[in-house]
Amino acid sequence: AQKVTQAQTEISVVEKEDVTLDCVYETRDTTYYLFWYKQPPSGELVFLIRRNSFDEQNEISGRYSWNFQKSTSSFNFTITASQVVDSAVYFCALRQETSGSRLTFGEGTQLTVNP
Amino acid sequence: ETGVTQTPRHLVMGMTNKKSLKCEQHLGHNAMYWYKQSAKKPLELMFVYNFKEQTENNSVPSRFSPECPNSSHLFLHLHTLQPEDSALYLCASSQDWWGSETQYFGPGTRLLVL
Repeated sequence: AQKVTQAQTEISVVEKEDVTLDCVYETRDTTYYLFWYKQPPSGELVFLIRRNSFDEQNEISGRYSWNFQKSTSSFNFTITASQVVDSAVYFCALRQETSGSRLTFGEGTQLTVNP
Repeated sequence: ETGVTQTPRHLVMGMTNKKSLKCEQHLGHNAMYWYKQSAKKPLELMFVYNFKEQTENNSVPSRFSPECPNSSHLFLHLHTLQPEDSALYLCASSQDWWGSETQYFGPGTRLLVL
């Protein structure tokens, strides 16, 4: 069975603060893929990153960075110097190679960045 | 148009109505998906199509009827819905239905069933 847990339901920060969104996953497959999506109030899920299970290298893209640790089954997402436009719901998702197209989402973290 | 588009963006219908949601992808992908997002619940996969063929039906009630006439278009026909079917319905597409392929989502249709 596959499962994604985002324990933080809501996070509120002040602009320019750094914030980390946690994601813990469960899978029995050795090959799997992890994703982060952003959902602004408009509703569309915006793809941010994909990671496969064989690539534990951390990634940085501008103010965004991701820390993938297989030892703790975590794939955490950090926003540096947050901005009001970062306010959204962020979803972590898992896809197992043996599950075909099934993408399992966490329940999401509502991030509010206040000016 | 680019990416994945969905129409209408908002829909209000009675329980006896029949309506259809439309999704179109402009990415040249082969797989398309319908998801349901209810308040306080994780996204739920409803249907998967690959090369116009349905490959997955996640135990969705028959009052939801999908149609995929070609790889670029996906419809969700709705009839005799219940108030608990009110949700955001998201369409997505990916290059193929298996493996590492990233799914790209449309803006969704917010459905309210009265």
